[in-house]
Amino acid sequence: TQLLEQSPQFLSIQEGENLTVYCNSSSVFSSLQWYRQEPGEGPVLLVTVVTGGEVKKLKRLTFQFGDARKDSSLHITAAQPGDTGLYLCAGVSRSNYKLTFGKGTLLTVNP
Amino acid sequence: DSGVTQTPKHLITATGQRVTLRCSPRSGDLSVYWYQQSLDQGLQFLIQYYNGEERAKGNILERFSAQQFPDLHSELNLSSLELGDSALYFCASSVGVGGDVSSYNEQFFGPGTRLTVL
Repeated sequence: TQLLEQSPQFLSIQEGENLTVYCNSSSVFSSLQWYRQEPGEGPVLLVTVVTGGEVKKLKRLTFQFGDARKDSSLHITAAQPGDTGLYLCAGVSRSNYKLTFGKGTLLTVNP
Repeated sequence: DSGVTQTPKHLITATGQRVTLRCSPRSGDLSVYWYQQSLDQGLQFLIQYYNGEERAKGNILERFSAQQFPDLHSELNLSSLELGDSALYFCASSVGVGGDVSSYNEQFFGPGTRLTVL
């Protein structure tokens, strides 16, 4: 069974601060996806990282895939209240392309 | 708006009852996935259908079943409900069954059905 551990589980910060969320596994994945979920809604895909060491930027969000394709991080610069939400990472299996989700990091950005 | 629709939005029922959750995928998507989300377990994959056929099974209980119809909409049936079945149930859809091209693995989630079993 492939497991993804996300840390921290909860994060409450002030507007303007920087933060990093981690997603770790002992398994190698074909690719890794990051989703954001807001209350009352389904997860929305933010980005997919595919190559070991790959870095992708989405405005103030920077995503990195570990060299061994087992872990990933999400860094947010100058967080804003609109960034508040549950951030989920999901690993794509190399064998059957099934997604395995981490339990998520609940981020609250206070104005 | 992801293009995936789910009904109902909320469902309150009693233990021992049976309910049916409905999902319509994005136009053109052939795969439908069902997930259960709870505070302690996170988002758990239940089952996947592709073009009407069961494709993959995850942590789905025997009391639960699903099907995908010729028009590609899907239903998840939950029976003999227990208190622990209270959760958010999400449907997601994708173009195909996944592959080495990253876009093949992109799933689009509906807004979910919140099930409360009393």
